[in-house]
Amino acid sequence: GAGVSQSPRYKVAKRGQDVALRCDPISGHVSLFWYQQALGQGPEFLTYFQNEAQLDKSGLPSDRFFAERPEGSVSTLKIQRTQQEDSAVYLCASSSLQVPLYGYTFGSGTRLTVV
Amino acid sequence: AQRVTQPEKLLSVFKGAPVELKCNYSYSGSPELFWYVQYSRQRLQLLLRHISRESIKGFTADLNKGETSFHLKKPFAQEEDSAMYYCALKGEYGNKLVFGAGTILRVKS
Repeated sequence: GAGVSQSPRYKVAKRGQDVALRCDPISGHVSLFWYQQALGQGPEFLTYFQNEAQLDKSGLPSDRFFAERPEGSVSTLKIQRTQQEDSAVYLCASSSLQVPLYGYTFGSGTRLTVV
Repeated sequence: AQRVTQPEKLLSVFKGAPVELKCNYSYSGSPELFWYVQYSRQRLQLLLRHISRESIKGFTADLNKGETSFHLKKPFAQEEDSAMYYCALKGEYGNKLVFGAGTILRVKS
């Protein structure tokens, strides 16, 4: 596609509910990233995939967070037993391997509100 | 540890005035630095990358390794420059970006 697509745009979850957030990266981009952006803060790294391999998950805040990219294209970020502190915008970004030259392309994000 | 500091939450200038958005970083190796911009109701988009030494929309940024800074500058601000600006760093190893907290630039007419 022309850009990085994320769905849903908005999600309201009751505390304790499981949620799944979807990211469609730019076609051909091998690298895919998930970031969490709390209100008034910059994006914070969660996890990184190169094709289907999850090479870095050091930013996942707890074992309630799980990400996958089984076929090396679409990725899903799952949050189990959501809590209020999970409320944030979740951003997906993709890039070619030439990161310094081309940077990262971000999606519009999913705004998650846990009530 | 990698860290990016943007000391100003809000910078307000008049149209036609010079702009400097400050960015300082902490990293022991050779970083790649980026500026991202987010206009109202739009997605985060790349504005500048230090490696290409380019000027986009009149903005420039020079990497100063001695001062560990990557300030964003524009000689004459325009109203359409009003947006949130994020400075970001990528280390030599790994691919993640570390972002600052962002600075809101407000250009008044």
